[in-house]
Amino acid sequence: KAGVTQTPRYLIKTRGQQVTLSCSPISGHRSVSWYQQTPGQGLQFLFEYFSETQRNKGNFPGRFSGRQFSNSRSEMNVSTLELGDSALYLCASSTDGGRDQFFGPGTRLTVL
Amino acid sequence: GEDVEQSLFLSVREGDSSVINCTYTDSSSTYLYWYKQEPGAGLQLLTYIFSNMDMKQDQRLTVLLNKKDKHLSLRIADTQTGDSAIYFCAESISGGYNKLIFGAGTRLAVHP
Repeated sequence: KAGVTQTPRYLIKTRGQQVTLSCSPISGHRSVSWYQQTPGQGLQFLFEYFSETQRNKGNFPGRFSGRQFSNSRSEMNVSTLELGDSALYLCASSTDGGRDQFFGPGTRLTVL
Repeated sequence: GEDVEQSLFLSVREGDSSVINCTYTDSSSTYLYWYKQEPGAGLQLLTYIFSNMDMKQDQRLTVLLNKKDKHLSLRIADTQTGDSAIYFCAESISGGYNKLIFGAGTRLAVHP
């Protein structure tokens, strides 16, 4: 079975721009969660989608949004980028009930 | 509240056992996880334990859970240089769907 894939792997943007990141879960997994990893704050939960619905949301500003498509692929969008948004963005895929949560390789976003 | 704490650094000699410790605060934890992260990579799921279990063994890995003290440990037997990485402890919360709360990570250094 193919693992979780994330595209692109690296991105460089400038302040004020917006960005869209993509995550394709493991086949058969309907839950996709997103996390932000920074040296200062560690791993923080952004949101989780299941069957195209956001089920849970972390404590991030409204500039961070996401969606999930009928094939379970998910995208997250960050608008009006700030320097502090530079991070590794990870997505995790699981079945409902979520015992096994598998992560993708991440997208490294650099905001200049 | 939701909080997971880990010691930040552990150094062991190749061939010795490593023990990485974690404490958590939320008594409604359902599953507790150990992930491994190598430089530039995503998170690799090592193992998880259901909150009503005391121990789980998986090849070189042994997880011990003390529910009374809310203490989780990961023992790696016969530690190898390839085990050098950052190890994250995480908990999922009842009612939180697939949201994981992560510790800050323990950097394991294995030396000859």
